[in-house]
Amino acid sequence: EAGVTQFPSHSVIEKGQTVTLRCDPISGHDNLYWYRRVMGKEIKFLLHFVKESKQDESGMPNNRFLAERTGGTYSTLKVQPAELEDSGVYFCASSQVGTGALGEQFFGPGTRLTVL
Amino acid sequence: DAKTTQPPSMDCAEGRAANLPCNHSTISGNEYVYWYRQIHSQGPQYIIHGLKNNETNEMASLIITEDRKSSTLILPHATLRDTAVYYCIVRSVRGGGTSYGKLTFGQGTILTVHP
Repeated sequence: EAGVTQFPSHSVIEKGQTVTLRCDPISGHDNLYWYRRVMGKEIKFLLHFVKESKQDESGMPNNRFLAERTGGTYSTLKVQPAELEDSGVYFCASSQVGTGALGEQFFGPGTRLTVL
Repeated sequence: DAKTTQPPSMDCAEGRAANLPCNHSTISGNEYVYWYRQIHSQGPQYIIHGLKNNETNEMASLIITEDRKSSTLILPHATLRDTAVYYCIVRSVRGGGTSYGKLTFGQGTILTVHP
């Protein structure tokens, strides 16, 4: 069974540009989460989808970040315009619905974003 | 979610048991204790979770004190591949304005297993 996949694995962009990160959850997982770790800091929650609906977006830092999950399958996280402080590793995770509160979250390998 | 406190780092000899402590003195009745680890350059990996009873799976054992204010993750026979950052996370089961879905990561414990 394929795990959570993320694309790209690395992205280097200049300040002011736009970047879109993609996450493909494990097939059948209705819960999808985005997290990020910026340099020297802890891993922080960004938002949580249940199917295509945003269950919790309390961790989104500002309106430069837009997450979508059309059709309830893969998700994208767009940063527009990117700022220097957005550099870090962005993780996606998924878990099964119904056990989302108790079940394990499976993480992808992350996308390393560098904003110059 | 309740806050957790872990030692910043620990060492363990290969083949010996690694015992990683975690304090969560403000844990409430509907909160579970979860353990995840992050091996360098990979995404976090689930290890185990529990509410109040001790738990064991193929990776580790979780011992939770009777008052639930602390817990210990035990890797019974540590290998070099267990070198990682280990996170103890307390997670709400019910909403009450807090999403039960998200994980709140702290600094974790850097476990180094040496030959």
